[in-house]
Amino acid sequence: QVQLQESGPGLVKPSETLSLTCTVSGGSISSYYWSWIRQPPGKGLEWIGYIYYSGSINYNPSLKSRVTISVDTSKNQFSLKLSSVTAADTAVYYCASRIVGATQEGFFDYWGQGTLVTVSS
Amino acid sequence: AIRMTQSPSSFSASTGDRVTITCRASQGISSYLAWYQQKPGKAPKLLIYAASTLQSGVPSRFSGSGSGTDFTLTISCLQSEDFATYYCQQYYSYPRTFGQGTRLEIK
Repeated sequence: QVQLQESGPGLVKPSETLSLTCTVSGGSISSYYWSWIRQPPGKGLEWIGYIYYSGSINYNPSLKSRVTISVDTSKNQFSLKLSSVTAADTAVYYCASRIVGATQEGFFDYWGQGTLVTVSS
Repeated sequence: AIRMTQSPSSFSASTGDRVTITCRASQGISSYLAWYQQKPGKAPKLLIYAASTLQSGVPSRFSGSGSGTDFTLTISCLQSEDFATYYCQQYYSYPRTFGQGTRLEIK
């Protein structure tokens, strides 16, 4: 069973770039679609984007100009970069996945525990 | 983007009650809908996908129905561990979008 673990700084200054990594264990990076989802404190869930190891990517248009998602197959990791952050980007960031080739795709059955990133000077 | 609207936003119920949560999509999404349960400080947990297919390991007291724009999640007999926040999510199109959540509290 695949397990996901987010890592990265818990505090980022305004206007800087937020960088997070999700380390995958128990499964191949090439067998899943990998997504980032965030949740501001006390609020709902927002899908940020997804990547497949082949290079297929899709970003939420609301964040597209600031987001980069990439995958490192050699390390079994995928990453999120969000530039020009403001306080509105303060959230718990989750990595999540769904296996490729399943009867249905597009939802998320594996999640990391989440990591809180606070944007503050 | 497709907007997902859940109702109610919150409500109180008692153990043993039958409860229904509604999710409405701003346009037709066929049956491309998932439901999640989230407890405080935890990641969401997938309950149902394809509007009515129970995820492996999820108790049978959970059920889902609907297609097109209107969907429901029903818990047939509330247990203490079911008090949580529930989210619907459409995967008919990009961007994937979630409902605002329904918080289920103990009466």
